[in-house]
Amino acid sequence: SQQGEEDPQALSIQEGENATMNCSYKTSINNLQWYRQNSGRGLVHLILIRSNEREKHSGRLRVTLDTSKKSSSLLITASRAADTASYFCATDDDYKLSFGAGTTVTVRA
Amino acid sequence: NAGVTQTPKFRVLKTGQSMTLLCAQDMNHEYMYWYRQDPGMGLRLIHYSVGEGTTAKGEVPDGYNVSRLKKQNFLLGLESAAPSQTSVYFCATELGTRLETQYFGPGTRLLVL
Repeated sequence: SQQGEEDPQALSIQEGENATMNCSYKTSINNLQWYRQNSGRGLVHLILIRSNEREKHSGRLRVTLDTSKKSSSLLITASRAADTASYFCATDDDYKLSFGAGTTVTVRA
Repeated sequence: NAGVTQTPKFRVLKTGQSMTLLCAQDMNHEYMYWYRQDPGMGLRLIHYSVGEGTTAKGEVPDGYNVSRLKKQNFLLGLESAAPSQTSVYFCATELGTRLETQYFGPGTRLLVL
């Protein structure tokens, strides 16, 4: 079963704007990851945040984690056309990861 | 280094035919995974392996078999393909420290007629 649920399903923004997407999950986690998938490609790892962390940055990416609300958010600042992709959150489940259905982000020039 | 490679990239099968998808990695990772991705459904885990000679069922294992005879290879078999197995299949690997970054292959697009 899919543990993570991303919201919104799709997002369209202008180049230079920020994009925010959210992930909610159901059971306790050790860590949460975000991945990006460009059209027709495999997933690429973006960032991992552990359950004892509240915020993490990587370049133009900012991830927050609220374990009390069982939710995480991914913020992409100053978006570029190359950020057009689907973004997935993944939560740990024993030896496995459980992926949500993803948020499709379109960055318009 | 090639990373994670998948063979073939695309295949068309007729219902009832069999085939094997190959995932190969040169990163010396312990864990390997097979996922399928269908529109609007994200990735669902089919089978996984936490080491050479071991395999385990994931979320949607029915109709698939796997083998991990060598550490660097993870094979996914379809014994009798069905149209419901039309999907994009991704292989992924992980170092083996549990639940760290997974590295994905480019995918195999399978169409079952």
